[in-house]
Amino acid sequence: SAVISQKPSRDICQRGTSLTIQCQVDSQVTMMFWYRQQPGQSLTLIATANQGSEATYESGFVIDKFPISRPNLTFSTLTVSNMSPEDSSIYLCSVRYSTNEKLFFGSGTQLSVL
Amino acid sequence: DAKTTQPPSMDCAEGRAANLPCNHSTISGNEYVYWYRQIHSQGPQYIIHGLKNNETNEMASLIITEDRKSSTLILPHATLRDTAVYYCIVRFFYNQGGKLIFGQGTELSVKP
Repeated sequence: SAVISQKPSRDICQRGTSLTIQCQVDSQVTMMFWYRQQPGQSLTLIATANQGSEATYESGFVIDKFPISRPNLTFSTLTVSNMSPEDSSIYLCSVRYSTNEKLFFGSGTQLSVL
Repeated sequence: DAKTTQPPSMDCAEGRAANLPCNHSTISGNEYVYWYRQIHSQGPQYIIHGLKNNETNEMASLIITEDRKSSTLILPHATLRDTAVYYCIVRFFYNQGGKLIFGQGTELSVKP
């Protein structure tokens, strides 16, 4: 199984600020994804993080609000920009290995915006 | 990817089998059925997947009906640690890099 490290594990932020979440995997992966889970809700896919190119965003999510980087095959960041209380959620990184059809998930980042 | 329908919640007695149903009536021939679960405050965990035949691994069994319009995840001897939200997901095996679209899932409560 994958070892996925997400940092920070939780944070409390002020309205209008930005937070960058890091996702580090123990070995090279083909695909990396970012999900959001609002309180009491299921997971919603934000975007696919593409190595060396712009991320592919799902409907309802835009790059200005959720810029994503993926500089190599083991690391990605998600930034939540100009935060509001509605951004309070758990943000999860997930990965897929090229030879394995399973998705593995990190333990998530619990974000609270005041 | 086809849409799935699951009951919002279920209870199960500890030590008994937990049978979690999933309807996917619009499934196509190339779509697989995946099951994940999410224990409170953790990221989702893969359980099992299948196409047509029934599947079994160390965690669970997956029973898919002959017409493939529904399936059942079976936890043979549920324990308190199996209390979680269980997600049934249908997707093409090679769709768009393997992303998963989650529905609302079934919240399973295993009781002593």
